[in-house]
Amino acid sequence: AQSVTQLDSHVSVSEGTPVLLRCNYSSSYSPSLFWYVQHPNKGLQLLLKYTSAATLVKGINGFEAEFKKSETSFHLTKPSAHMSDAAEYFCVVILRSNDYKLSFGAGTTVTVRA
Amino acid sequence: SQTIHQWPATLVQPVGSPLSLECTVEGTSNPNLYWYRQAAGRGLQLLFYSVGIGQISSEVPQNLSASRPQDRQFILSSKKLLLSDSGFYLCAWSLMGATNVNTEAFFGQGTRLTVV
Repeated sequence: AQSVTQLDSHVSVSEGTPVLLRCNYSSSYSPSLFWYVQHPNKGLQLLLKYTSAATLVKGINGFEAEFKKSETSFHLTKPSAHMSDAAEYFCVVILRSNDYKLSFGAGTTVTVRA
Repeated sequence: SQTIHQWPATLVQPVGSPLSLECTVEGTSNPNLYWYRQAAGRGLQLLFYSVGIGQISSEVPQNLSASRPQDRQFILSSKKLLLSDSGFYLCAWSLMGATNVNTEAFFGQGTRLTVV
């Protein structure tokens, strides 16, 4: 069964408009959740993480995500997109049921229009 | 501070040739180490996972193998490459936290492998 699902494979926004990337997970327990960003031909950079502290998590580059246990979601948002935000974004979950290994979503490609 | 080194950055190899990609971590001890592959237009696939020297878990059957000869060294190998081995390979490390849960993973810059 899929542990983490990114609902959008591609998101296109205009510069200066909000960005929403959706992520849902499957777990009976509260997992550890992360968002990573990958620019072309680069490694992955951690944007933010949730580890059972505050449900609203602020990350780098103006991104934030909200953990909603009732909806098993961890959506990533940014109020105003910048051209440099064009990249691929991965939602990642760590589950006890998966021996605490990282499980990656399929990724969401973000394009930003001038 | 901790750093991770992965090399080479790009590699073009003929079908049937051997492969060796190396990854080293500095500034930490007893890391969990990972090799991922990212095929074009697809997400990351976990290939190998290691919690200690000589301890390797293989996630998918394939033409590749991994070894961990030292605590902070992780090597991805193949005796004979296939065309399907082409992709972007990423090494990563994480630590087991106080609650026995992995911390976030830190990634190398990746190796673009093209098998021709």
